[in-house]
Amino acid sequence: GAVVSQHPSWVICKSGTSVKIECRSLDFQATTMFWYRQFPKQSLMLMATSNEGSKATYEQGVEKDKFLINHASLTLSTLTVTSAHPEDSSFYICSARNGRGTHSYEQYFGPGTRLTVT
Amino acid sequence: DQQVKQNSPSLSVQEGRISILNCDYTNSMFDYFLWYKKYPAEGPTFLISISSIKDKNEDGRFTVFLNKSAKHLSLHIVPSQPGDSAVYFCAASEGNTGGFKTIFGAGTRLFVKA
Repeated sequence: GAVVSQHPSWVICKSGTSVKIECRSLDFQATTMFWYRQFPKQSLMLMATSNEGSKATYEQGVEKDKFLINHASLTLSTLTVTSAHPEDSSFYICSARNGRGTHSYEQYFGPGTRLTVT
Repeated sequence: DQQVKQNSPSLSVQEGRISILNCDYTNSMFDYFLWYKKYPAEGPTFLISISSIKDKNEDGRFTVFLNKSAKHLSLHIVPSQPGDSAVYFCAASEGNTGGFKTIFGAGTRLFVKA
């Protein structure tokens, strides 16, 4: 299956600093990438959808100025958590969609990034 | 408003028996449904999917059934194995009109006892 990587896998940062998380599709071109957030024992909450070369579409309640998403190429999307606070501590997961062929609905997920803000 | 619901937070099954995980949805515009398996601290892994034009899709030990009139789908795992123990997420997508945005249910934690 398609491979999606995330970097870093975990990060600890101080309150007020910014953190960038990278999501890469390694063996296919991702027309669309999604960013999710998961709280402990809860479902995946879609934060935003990004298409290569265009602005991300944020879900209701997600602050676009706080969670900056850049989808610069068909294989790379980045999520920057700006001025992080302890409540931003969470597990962030990206996914990528190929957008072509019969499996265009399927999303391939990265391994996730554990963010802890102290 | 939860568009995709998995009402059972957990399920325990004996090894070798059938596991049935259920999922209900409310949005009639969903046209593709997927099941993902997730281990702790890892990203979800795609398991099986079904298009709204079908009512059954089978892949090895995994079968997904779709009842559009009831807006209900289920995942059957038979025979269940201890390695199947994980959280299973049901997901639904709206396709072109919805930008292929996928909505996930809350998940069901499956325990397969040896």
